[in-house]
Amino acid sequence: SAVISQKPSRDICQRGTSLTIQCQVDSQVTMMFWYRQQPGQSLTLIATANQGSEATYESGFVIDKFPISRPNLTFSTLTVSNMSPEDSSIYLCSVEGGGGSGTYNEQFFGPGTRLTVL
Amino acid sequence: RKEVEQDPGPFNVPEGATVAFNCTYSNSASQSFFWYRQDCRKEPKLLMSVYSSGNEDGRFTAQLNRASQYISLLIRDSKLSDSATYLCVVISLYAGNNRKLIWGLGTSLAVNP
Repeated sequence: SAVISQKPSRDICQRGTSLTIQCQVDSQVTMMFWYRQQPGQSLTLIATANQGSEATYESGFVIDKFPISRPNLTFSTLTVSNMSPEDSSIYLCSVEGGGGSGTYNEQFFGPGTRLTVL
Repeated sequence: RKEVEQDPGPFNVPEGATVAFNCTYSNSASQSFFWYRQDCRKEPKLLMSVYSSGNEDGRFTAQLNRASQYISLLIRDSKLSDSATYLCVVISLYAGNNRKLIWGLGTSLAVNP
């Protein structure tokens, strides 16, 4: 299984500011995923990040609000832009098992970033 | 109807009890199924995959019923450390050969001494 780290682990931010979350994996993976888990809710996929191409966003999520970078096969960032209290959530990055072959296998998650927007 | 549904619980059981959760899914083209465990304020971690023939891992047994479109998780001889939220995940096939992971809301289990 992959070892995934995220920074920061938590943050408290003011409305209108932006926060960039980093995700580092200890092995090269093709696809990385960004999820949001709001209190009492299930995990919701924000976008899929492939190295060397634009991220693919799920319905309800747009690049202007959640820009994503994927500069190499072990790293990705998610920015939460112009934050509002509704963005308070846990943000999780994940990778697939099986070396990221492009099929949806088991998912391994980073420890998450707990964001509170005041 | 939600694509993946779970009884949120909480299930409160004494140590040593046997407890079972179900998870129903609506897309008959669903391909793969998993159970994840999420501890409070932690990330989800894979508990077990669910195979068509059913599978067992120690005290945990997972079953798939395609006809009725549900998966189940059985925990025998519950331990205090089993207290967590159990999430089911269904990988479904959509138009254009798109596959998506759909997460249930989770079932909360509290094992009491």
